[in-house]
Amino acid sequence: AQTVTQSQPEMSVQEAETVTLSCTYDTSESDYYLFWYKQPPSRQMILVIRQEAYKQQNATENRFSVNFQKAAKSFSLKISDSQLGDAAMYFCAYLAQGAQKLVFGQGTRLTINP
Amino acid sequence: KAGVTQTPRYLIKTRGQQVTLSCSPISGHRSVSWYQQTPGQGLQFLFEYFSETQRNKGNFPGRFSGRQFSNSRSEMNVSTLELGDSALYLCASSFVTGGPTEQYFGPGTRLTVT
Repeated sequence: AQTVTQSQPEMSVQEAETVTLSCTYDTSESDYYLFWYKQPPSRQMILVIRQEAYKQQNATENRFSVNFQKAAKSFSLKISDSQLGDAAMYFCAYLAQGAQKLVFGQGTRLTINP
Repeated sequence: KAGVTQTPRYLIKTRGQQVTLSCSPISGHRSVSWYQQTPGQGLQFLFEYFSETQRNKGNFPGRFSGRQFSNSRSEMNVSTLELGDSALYLCASSFVTGGPTEQYFGPGTRLTVT
């Protein structure tokens, strides 16, 4: 079974600085998708960024980018120029090819200090 | 385009009762997945429906069931409620074409069992 591990229960960063959230996963599949979701206090789960395993290029969405290391099964999220609105729980998630079952990590609570 | 909607947003039930939660996907999305979120177990997959058929099921007892209607709206039912069923129940929809695509989440239904 696939598993996703987020080893940092909590992280904090100063506003305008850069922070990196870590995620590792375990799978025997070669084709899959990885996601980062953000869950603010409102509890609405928001998709931040997506990465297809077959793509070598790391995904980027404005201030959010990933470092995808397929061989190491690592998928970290970098947030540049952190803003107060970035404060939330961040979940790393795995989706197998041909399935609609997301496997989530335990989450990292990100605090932004003004 | 309207997002995923879930009703009701909050619910309080007594042990032994049953409950039905509703989810309306984004227009055009045919896949609906359900997740349970608790502080102890995190986010866990319940089941996924596509074209009125359950395609995937998580590791939950038979008290948890669901269905999908021809308009892609989905309901999940929990019978004989237990205290441990208190959780945030999230549904997510996706536009499935040839392979997995990102899932968009609703705001969730907060179920409290007393």
